[in-house]
Amino acid sequence: GNSVTQMEGPVTLSEEAFLTINCTYTATGYPSLFWYVQYPGEGLQLLLKATKADDKGSNKGFEATYRKETTSFHLEKGSVQVSDSAVYFCALTPFGNEKLTFGTGTRLTIIP
Amino acid sequence: DVKVTQSSRYLVKRTGEKVFLECVQDMDHENMFWYRQDPGLGLRLIYFSYDVKMKEKGDIPEGYSVSREKKERFSLILESASTNQTSMYLCASSSTSFDTSYEQYFGPGTRLTVT
Repeated sequence: GNSVTQMEGPVTLSEEAFLTINCTYTATGYPSLFWYVQYPGEGLQLLLKATKADDKGSNKGFEATYRKETTSFHLEKGSVQVSDSAVYFCALTPFGNEKLTFGTGTRLTIIP
Repeated sequence: DVKVTQSSRYLVKRTGEKVFLECVQDMDHENMFWYRQDPGLGLRLIYFSYDVKMKEKGDIPEGYSVSREKKERFSLILESASTNQTSMYLCASSSTSFDTSYEQYFGPGTRLTVT
């Protein structure tokens, strides 16, 4: 079946540090890959996505590259801010399928 | 912008009560979803609807039912609430257009406590 594995949290970083949150997946065919973010007290928002191999999704300074050879979609940001504190979810939809499969989420806390 | 709204942000119910959670989307999306979110487990799909009056079980449908009488509205029903259904419930919707990669849009969530 389909599955997403992301690094366990919580992750605590100082402001302006470099961020990586690892995400690997198992799926048949060519899934679309997503990163969602959940700020405190809110629902999930799409942060970025990639739909085919070697695509790079980017938004708000965050980036992730679809690596089919390593089945990975790691989230990176060069300089994090306190406002980036949130829970981040990696997810996939198999090709032609509308259902999302989520990772367990990674809680990120940025300290000033 | 797509907007998905849920009827309550916080809800407290007693064991055995019948509970209705309502979700409304305003983007004419065909697909609607109900998830529950629990610490350490991520989001798990309860039910999925791909059209009016159509539904499909997700990964954890036991103890829940759903209703979709209108395209914009998708209701989750707990027939007899139990304490192990205390959770955050999230509704989402998406288009069936392949161009969107089936991107899902989420509501703010309902935190349900069953005592």
